[in-house]
Amino acid sequence: GAVVSQHPSWVICKSGTSVKIECRSLDFQATTMFWYRQFPKQSLMLMATSNEGSKATYEQGVEKDKFLINHASLTLSTLTVTSAHPEDSSFYICSAQGGAYEQYFGPGTRLTVT
Amino acid sequence: QQPVQSPQAVILREGEDAVINCSSSKALYSVHWYRQKHGEAPVFLMILLKGGEQKGHEKISASFNEKKQQSSLYLTASQLSYSGTYFCGTPGDSSYKLIFGSGTRLLVRP
Repeated sequence: GAVVSQHPSWVICKSGTSVKIECRSLDFQATTMFWYRQFPKQSLMLMATSNEGSKATYEQGVEKDKFLINHASLTLSTLTVTSAHPEDSSFYICSAQGGAYEQYFGPGTRLTVT
Repeated sequence: QQPVQSPQAVILREGEDAVINCSSSKALYSVHWYRQKHGEAPVFLMILLKGGEQKGHEKISASFNEKKQQSSLYLTASQLSYSGTYFCGTPGDSSYKLIFGSGTRLLVRP
């Protein structure tokens, strides 16, 4: 149980284009999902909290107009990186919250912007 | 504020024990522990709650210190599969958000 999927697993795009990443909880409903980014050999940095049916809450320093989050259902949250630039290249990971506030992570999406 | 983990890295022989610490500037009422293998997403290991209750992995345990500003993760009789980076997560400005520590790299050798 508690399986979270992410799609795509990796993506290469050109500077200026937009990329959408999907996060799905496969066998449970998640009213709350989280989006993180992780640079090599560094910790997980929380970008935003995604709540089903309401606007996402962004962490300080994260541009909400650049990283668009939509939590359309209890099993799906999407992160769209708009007008991507090389500095946006990173490992993006989503997680879905369980009943005891534990988090189940998706396999991650490696984004490379050329 | 990001919790501080120690040690930064540790190398063990298979079967040896290890302790990983997670320190906060404020008292904690819960600590989450996760393990991440290279190129993969973190995997939930366990939650330690303020009353000492633990939920998660059978072969891994954790505790708080007296002031509940530090949690220690105990790995006993380590196996090769225990290798990876361990992160602790402590509640942020709301109970459902986690702030992750800097990580502890663990390598278990045969």
